[in-house]
Amino acid sequence: DARVTQTPRHKVTEMGQEVTMRCQPILGHNTVFWYRQTMMQGLELLAYFRNRAPLDDSGMPKDRFSAEMPDATLATLKIQPSEPRDSAVYFCASGLVQGGRNQPQHFGDGTRLSIL
Amino acid sequence: SQQGEEDPQALSIQEGENATMNCSYKTSINNLQWYRQNSGRGLVHLILIRSNEREKHSGRLRVTLDTSKKSSSLLITASRAADTASYFCATDKPPPGAGSYQLTFGKGTKLSVIP
Repeated sequence: DARVTQTPRHKVTEMGQEVTMRCQPILGHNTVFWYRQTMMQGLELLAYFRNRAPLDDSGMPKDRFSAEMPDATLATLKIQPSEPRDSAVYFCASGLVQGGRNQPQHFGDGTRLSIL
Repeated sequence: SQQGEEDPQALSIQEGENATMNCSYKTSINNLQWYRQNSGRGLVHLILIRSNEREKHSGRLRVTLDTSKKSSSLLITASRAADTASYFCATDKPPPGAGSYQLTFGKGTKLSVIP
């Protein structure tokens, strides 16, 4: 089965450090999403891309977060500088929007980030 | 605010019993989806029901949608220990033209099925 792959699975670093999370979406999917999951807030959408173009990043703190898709096989989410409140599980998901209809999203297993 | 809100927050049942989870939402939707999340893993899509559908089945899963009440329910029949997971509903808004395919997730129902 095709899967969304996220790396690293776990990351522990000190505040102030740069963190880069990577995602390989499912081949052929044209939409990529970044989510953050915490106990308090649940699952929050940070940014999403269609055909590699950013469509919405309103959920993302722009001063420290950035999301890019350098090519169709790679999406990145960067935090610089990182802060303890960024500790969460970050999920990437990909999907196919076809014929004007939304399709299910396929999630990776996430990056569990701890900022000390 | 969260578009989808699941109820109950936690549910504990014996193996073989049925589990029912509910989801309420606030604004009109295009479709509603249910996802499952095992501990330490990503979400897995279970079923999608469109706003013009009232009921949908997939194996032991039955989903209903009542757009007049802005609510949906997920029923798992003859539950198994392997069904232990968190279950989330997610809604997307009607696409305005080109379409907005963002999903808004609730905080989930944590289901425990005791063997």
